Amino acid sequence: DAKTTQPNSMESNEEEPVHLPCNHSTISGTDYIHWYRQLPSQGPEYVIHGLTSNVNNRMASLAIAEDRKSSTLILHRATLRDAAVYYCILCSMDSNYQLIWGAGTKLIIKP
Amino acid sequence: AAGVIQSPRHLIKEKRETATLKCYPIPRHDTVYWYQQGPGQDPQFLISFYEKMQSDKGSIPDRFSAQQFSDYHSELNMSSLELGDSALYFCASSYRDLGAYEQYFGPGTRLTVT
Repeated sequence: DAKTTQPNSMESNEEEPVHLPCNHSTISGTDYIHWYRQLPSQGPEYVIHGLTSNVNNRMASLAIAEDRKSSTLILHRATLRDAAVYYCILCSMDSNYQLIWGAGTKLIIKP
Repeated sequence: AAGVIQSPRHLIKEKRETATLKCYPIPRHDTVYWYQQGPGQDPQFLISFYEKMQSDKGSIPDRFSAQQFSDYHSELNMSSLELGDSALYFCASSYRDLGAYEQYFGPGTRLTVT
């Protein structure tokens, strides 16, 4: 399975933008880039996904490199409620959209 | 909006006992996924069902089995429980036929084996 690499942890100040990087150099043409997050003691939560073009939704933006070997999840204005582990996951129709979880980035928000 | 429902939320069992976890997907979702998350670990994919048929199998022990019923709810059956089975078990659902690839997770069932 294609793998992703993320920083173990990141810190950011409240109300500032956060850029969470993800490397996926072995991505295949059919792989979608998904981001999920897991708040403490809760189930994972879908954030955003994309294939080639940048994507925006009410939660975040996803910037995808032109060669698709890396992507960045952007939280435009972090709040304390955004403190969570963020997972960047590749999944494709070939694997019936299974989510193979890596280590994720623990995002710490400082008030 | 309706979310994924899991029951029970907490379960305590003894070694060698059996347990059954239930998952009720979001209405009209056709795919159910089961994940196991040990203490301090990342979620691990166990098994999935699409339109009531097993779709994929991950790291699910032979002691575990699962099925999806005609009303699309799913059950994870766990037998001969071991201490190492203590974990959070998440169910997720998606609407694969709609081309919607995102999965929506339930709150999880916390299983403690003593």
